[in-house]
Amino acid sequence: AQSVTQLGSHVSVSEGALVLLRCNYSSSVPPYLFWYVQYPNQGLQLLLKYTSAATLVKGINGFEAEFKKSETSFHLTKPSAHMSDAAEYFCAVSSMFSGGYNKLIFGAGTRLAVHP
Amino acid sequence: DGGITQSPKYLFRKEGQNVTLSCEQNLNHDAMYWYRQDPGQGLRLIYYSQIVNDFQKGDIAEGYSVSREKKESFPLTVTSAQKNPTAFYLCCSRGNNEKLFFGSGTQLSVL
Repeated sequence: AQSVTQLGSHVSVSEGALVLLRCNYSSSVPPYLFWYVQYPNQGLQLLLKYTSAATLVKGINGFEAEFKKSETSFHLTKPSAHMSDAAEYFCAVSSMFSGGYNKLIFGAGTRLAVHP
Repeated sequence: DGGITQSPKYLFRKEGQNVTLSCEQNLNHDAMYWYRQDPGQGLRLIYYSQIVNDFQKGDIAEGYSVSREKKESFPLTVTSAQKNPTAFYLCCSRGNNEKLFFGSGTQLSVL
């Protein structure tokens, strides 16, 4: 069965510093992997997704993630944090129900704080 | 603009009461989902629907019910059997390439 583990429920960085949010997955089949961002009291927005094409995936707002099969990881990075990046970030893996239906399995989330 | 609309934004439930959360989409998507979000636990799937007049239980369906009479609408009822309903509820639909489109959520609290 597929699962997702996000290391670190809270991450704090200085404005301008590197952002690194960690995600490890388990999947018995080649996975589809996603990063979503959630701002307070809002739904989730897709940042980027990996669907078995290039292993380095570029997303919106300067974020990118690298799929590393050998490490079963899909860490999210941004070279320089901005105050507006403060939010909660969720890693997710696409899973197949019996009957061929898909669902996303989400990690527990990482709350990113950016301080001046 | 196309999107997912959830209402109300805040909802309060009295003990023993059923309440219904609305989710409407105008994206012409077939698949719709309800997730429950609790602090520190991420999102857990309650129910999903792949097509009109069809829906399936997710991982935590007990105490909830849904209907899918129209493609645009996927309401969620939180019944009195759900003993711990306080949470943030998110509805979404699935577009091409597995991308999910989320509503802005409903915060349900118990009086």
